[in-house]
Amino acid sequence: DTAVSQTPKYLVTQMGNDKSIKCEQNLGHDTMYWYKQDSKKFLKIMFSYNNKELIINETVPNRFSPKSPDKAHLNLHINSLELGDSAVYFCASSHTGLPYEQYFGPGTRLTVT
Amino acid sequence: KNEVEQSPQNLTAQEGEFITINCSYSVGISALHWLQQHPGGGIVSLFMLSSGKKKHGRLIATINIQEKHSSLHITASHPRDSAVYICAVRSGNEKLTFGTGTRLTIIP
Repeated sequence: DTAVSQTPKYLVTQMGNDKSIKCEQNLGHDTMYWYKQDSKKFLKIMFSYNNKELIINETVPNRFSPKSPDKAHLNLHINSLELGDSAVYFCASSHTGLPYEQYFGPGTRLTVT
Repeated sequence: KNEVEQSPQNLTAQEGEFITINCSYSVGISALHWLQQHPGGGIVSLFMLSSGKKKHGRLIATINIQEKHSSLHITASHPRDSAVYICAVRSGNEKLTFGTGTRLTIIP
């Protein structure tokens, strides 16, 4: 059983397009995250949602909009894609409260041409 | 300067060697995570610790809160341990801040 899944795994698109990446977890967690890993493999938090409420919103262009229809899903929509958006995007989830381990999805490699 | 520093950045060792990867941080934390990222790209959580020491198989993680330092040790290293090891610290609002990673290569 896949714990945290992301679709698509690969996404190639042109500048200016709008695209979405979907994330689903079946672990019963109530906190979900989006991370970006750049070309130098550096990971950085983008957003975090707890029970469908935004709790972390780092300095991310407002072209990026997370949407959480329910606790098990956190989708990432990106408008007007730019070359610099090319990266691997990881979704993760965890319980809330005491520090808990985070479980990561397999990542989505986005390439903007 | 990153809030989380790892050393070394790259490490190549012979199979069987004892491996140590270090992580230093400069902020107050509630927990520290060690993650493993394989060449295929997937990220796996190895440890989460807020004090003392944890052991899973050949992997050992230690943390010294006063010195703001953690180490990840691998005993009897094996080529399948080759991966990028990432230290991440958790602050009070659930945010994880990551180190730049240590690329480990174990040669048979």
